[in-house]
Amino acid sequence: AQKVTQAQTEISVVEKEDVTLDCVYETRDTTYYLFWYKQPPSGELVFLIRRNSFDEQNEISGRYSWNFQKSTSSFNFTITASQVVDSAVYFCALSEVVGGNTGKLIFGQGTTLQVKP
Amino acid sequence: DTGVSQNPRHKITKRGQNVTFRCDPISEHNRLYWYRQTLGQGPEFLTYFQNEAQLEKSRLLSDRFSAERPKGSFSTLEIQRTEQGDSAMYLCASSDRDRVDYGYTFGSGTRLTVV
Repeated sequence: AQKVTQAQTEISVVEKEDVTLDCVYETRDTTYYLFWYKQPPSGELVFLIRRNSFDEQNEISGRYSWNFQKSTSSFNFTITASQVVDSAVYFCALSEVVGGNTGKLIFGQGTTLQVKP
Repeated sequence: DTGVSQNPRHKITKRGQNVTFRCDPISEHNRLYWYRQTLGQGPEFLTYFQNEAQLEKSRLLSDRFSAERPKGSFSTLEIQRTEQGDSAMYLCASSDRDRVDYGYTFGSGTRLTVV
């Protein structure tokens, strides 16, 4: 069965600290996509990044970076020098391609990040 | 284009009543998805459309739930005989079929409270 686990329910840091959000996934398929979404208090899910299963290259976008390790089925997200505006719920998600690319996403339970000034 | 629009933002209803939510996707997107999110959980897939065709429904979508997308534009999600367990945020998202791997655009959701 496909599953995404975000073991950290809540994380609290002080502004300017670095923080890593963990994501572990399970899938039987070799072709899949992984995503991170941010959900601020307004409720709208905001797309952050997509990674396909054949691309294990890490990615950096400003203060955000992602570490994809297929060997450990993990796709972790690091925020460097956190800011109060980063406070939100962050979701990791998995989309499978085999069987037809439905685009259906399987989400983890989410990690609530609170950045204190 | 202002993104995916959902109405109403909030709905409070009495148990047993019927409710209907509306989603207006990004105009050029041919795929539309409905998800349900309960407190403290991640969104769960309910159903999706490609144009006007409903291609998949989750087991979460009981007989009391029905979704439509007439003419492949906006979509409605109706819940009949609401139950307290239906209280959740209902999220709509849209994407282009050829770019679905690149993630969706989500709306702000409709928060349903059944009292």
